Amino acid sequence: DTGVSQDPRHKITKRGQNVTFRCDPISEHNRLYWYRQTLGQGPEFLTYFQNEAQLEKSRLLSDRFSAERPKGSFSTLEIQRTEQGDSAMYLCASSEGSSVFTDTQYFGPGTRLTVL
Amino acid sequence: AQRVTQPEKLLSVFKGAPVELKCNYSYSGSPELFWYVQYSRQRLQLLLRHISRESIKGFTADLNKGETSFHLKKPFAQEEDSAMYYCALRRGGSYIPTFGRGTSLIVHP
Repeated sequence: DTGVSQDPRHKITKRGQNVTFRCDPISEHNRLYWYRQTLGQGPEFLTYFQNEAQLEKSRLLSDRFSAERPKGSFSTLEIQRTEQGDSAMYLCASSEGSSVFTDTQYFGPGTRLTVL
Repeated sequence: AQRVTQPEKLLSVFKGAPVELKCNYSYSGSPELFWYVQYSRQRLQLLLRHISRESIKGFTADLNKGETSFHLKKPFAQEEDSAMYYCALRRGGSYIPTFGRGTSLIVHP
């Protein structure tokens, strides 16, 4: 197990196009998180899953954003009708989730999105 | 709503000097505080959490509820400590952290 993986690592798209990112968590981690990070800022929470259930979504997550985790393993994050403001690093993290007190999130390398 | 403030974007020190990365928070309840680190070309990773009260790579952080601070300290900086450091807060019982904007630590030889 090489940790959390994300694909693609870089994506350049034109404004108005749809993009989809994939995240593969560490095996047997039942919680999966998506964050967005813009230049000079820390990661901002977007959404998270416990197994296949999407438990929480940030107000940052507009209607153009949708995330899925259909079988409780990998997850996809889709952005429809991309805008230049969507340009950011999209981070995925996973955790065991057995106890909130000891829960540790392991981050992936991120997908850098550039919207032209 | 909770907020995490890291007042310094950049902290530059020489090897062997003491380091203190500042973190202040606002939250009315009982928070859980963390420090994350991102070394060049590596992933974001947890450095330490306040409930563990442990020293990791020589770094310590004490939660000061009176001053609502969780500053990260190391008595003698090493060049390999150069990295981006993020302070984060979780509401009690929540799995979701709120991150500060980060402080870039540069340790000169």
